[in-house]
Amino acid sequence: ETGVTQSPTHLIKTRGQQVTLRCSSQSGHNTVSWYQQALGQGPQFIFQYYREEENGRGNFPPRFSGLQFPNYSSELNVNALELDDSALYLCASSLGGALSYEQYFGPGTRLTVT
Amino acid sequence: GIQVEQSPPDLILQEGANSTLRCNFSDSVNNLQWFHQNPWGQLINLFYIPSGTKQNGRLSATTVATERYSLLYISSSQTTDSGVYFCAEGSNNAGNMLTFGGGTRLMVKP
Repeated sequence: ETGVTQSPTHLIKTRGQQVTLRCSSQSGHNTVSWYQQALGQGPQFIFQYYREEENGRGNFPPRFSGLQFPNYSSELNVNALELDDSALYLCASSLGGALSYEQYFGPGTRLTVT
Repeated sequence: GIQVEQSPPDLILQEGANSTLRCNFSDSVNNLQWFHQNPWGQLINLFYIPSGTKQNGRLSATTVATERYSLLYISSSQTTDSGVYFCAEGSNNAGNMLTFGGGTRLMVKP
């Protein structure tokens, strides 16, 4: 069984740029969620994708957007990067429907905005 | 939405000691998970425990849903137990999202 993978591991961007982060879900999982974890805090929910549709969104502005592909992998896109976007970005996968609360996380992408 | 409070925020133990970490919730508990975040940032699933008690080796967890709290017990702690422990509650407010507590930062000294 393949776990959740994310790429890249680390990334440095300049304020105002755009970034794309990628996630491959655990085999058999069709739901992907994205979280932002600032230093010293717990992860914050960004949004979730289920069967290629956005299934819910946290309190993040529209410049945070995402996609899910037919193989259930996912992308997180952030436009017009701000310094406060510097964080660890975590992807989690889960089974769909009523079983989707138990989520399994990837190793994360650490984004630094300068 | 639901609020999740974890205590203590920081904990330093000598190797071999036991500890109890607590999670309090502002609303009913239905889908609780405990995680360990290692120094590299990886969140590792420890327990999915919406109610009752579960044990896995030196770790065990108890959730009392009616009283809105959960406890994580670590016995005979080892240096590899160091890291941050999070509890999170799953809800359907905006998709099937997890709401995390602020974490308990554990350091186990040899």
